[in-house]
Amino acid sequence: DSGVTQTPKHLITATGQRVTLRCSPRSGDLSVYWYQQSLDQGLQFLIQYYNGEERAKGNILERFSAQQFPDLHSELNLSSLELGDSALYFCASSGLLANEQFFGPGTRLTVL
Amino acid sequence: GQQLNQSPQSMFIQEGEDVSMNCTSSSIFNTWLWYKQDPGEGPVLLIALYKAGELTSNGRLTAQFGITRKDSFLNISASIPSDVGIYFCAGQLGFSGTYKYIFGTGTRLKVLA
Repeated sequence: DSGVTQTPKHLITATGQRVTLRCSPRSGDLSVYWYQQSLDQGLQFLIQYYNGEERAKGNILERFSAQQFPDLHSELNLSSLELGDSALYFCASSGLLANEQFFGPGTRLTVL
Repeated sequence: GQQLNQSPQSMFIQEGEDVSMNCTSSSIFNTWLWYKQDPGEGPVLLIALYKAGELTSNGRLTAQFGITRKDSFLNISASIPSDVGIYFCAGQLGFSGTYKYIFGTGTRLKVLA
């Protein structure tokens, strides 16, 4: 158990819909990272937040957005969903060493 | 999206054998990371490398940051059945505010007892 929690574990929705994925980092970690893992694209870094502020941005689509709240939990919002958005979405957190990230169990999103 | 060239894609080995896998890129990285992912779980960090030429061990695992900063390898010695899983390399590009992580395509390891 990494100490990072993600909800929900599974999510099934339809094209065009909007969903919110939630992540709680390990106790004391200020950084949260979001990743997408799909069969054709592999693991893709989406975005990082540090103590409520956006710190780095990767391959995140404009239809996706994220935020980190004062209690340090984070949410990833995916809108206008397409079939290709079906993937595993992982959240990770880190402390002072940004590269030493602890991953959560992931949310499996299925868009029908 | 960008991905690193990771090889081999998969390998079957006998228990007790040594394993080697590597990642190459045309880009220069500041950091190399090696992860293992078990089915249904998130990746777990195995080794982080921060300097060109750095050689780091973690138990039976040894990884090196290539001198050119464009490649890295991971060795597993005396493999055991629990080494089964998918191994990913990842490189960090850029600096604070603009950096991002690029992941390899993964090496699926299967160990035959």
